[in-house]
Amino acid sequence: SSELTQDPAVSVALGQTVRITCQGDGLRTYYASWYQQKPGQAPKLVLYDKNIRPSGIPDRFSGSFSGNTASLTITGAQAEDEADYYCNSRDSSSNPLFGGGTKLTVL
Amino acid sequence: QVQLQESGPGLVKPSGTLSLTCAVSGASISSNSWWTWVRQPPGKGLEWIGEIYHSGNTNYNPSLKSRVTISVDKSKNQFSLNLRSLTAADTAVYYCARDRGNGSVVFDIWGQGTMVPVSS
Repeated sequence: SSELTQDPAVSVALGQTVRITCQGDGLRTYYASWYQQKPGQAPKLVLYDKNIRPSGIPDRFSGSFSGNTASLTITGAQAEDEADYYCNSRDSSSNPLFGGGTKLTVL
Repeated sequence: QVQLQESGPGLVKPSGTLSLTCAVSGASISSNSWWTWVRQPPGKGLEWIGEIYHSGNTNYNPSLKSRVTISVDKSKNQFSLNLRSLTAADTAVYYCARDRGNGSVVFDIWGQGTMVPVSS
């Protein structure tokens, strides 16, 4: 299919671990990239390829893959991690495609 | 440091054409990257619009392809978006971004975005 499916909303207690998933057929061929977006801000790349963090992204952010599912894990979630998270990969025509986004709430 | 800056009109009318430009600084638009437009309607998710390589090769979202043109101006180190036959559904924040390319998608640099209301 040409979709990337994400859970619309996820919550995590402060300091605990949370996993945000992204499912789609394109992930069998291409890695996902992950973007964090806070209100009123542009998206920011937080993870790409298999598990690479851009400079400045804390090491509590990590990534993994299994079959057609990519996961973003935040180990020891902080209040500043509360944001919308979007995955991206490619569709069946190899065009970039965003998932629907996951709203992360840190309790 | 690489920066992208969108510019364009603050308001456009239904049935009109939206024209936005993204100025690239700190990097050459002739580098090995795809230069991309993404939009986000109010309260909704991100939508990929299309991309251009410095050679002029383009790819467009099939849902917008009939209305979109993306072009590049290497002399000014910038690229542009034209979206025609606008409706209220085109109201969105429009972002330009760089895709570092190389197989998997990596939008590593983003502009700050520009809100474009479509209204009479």
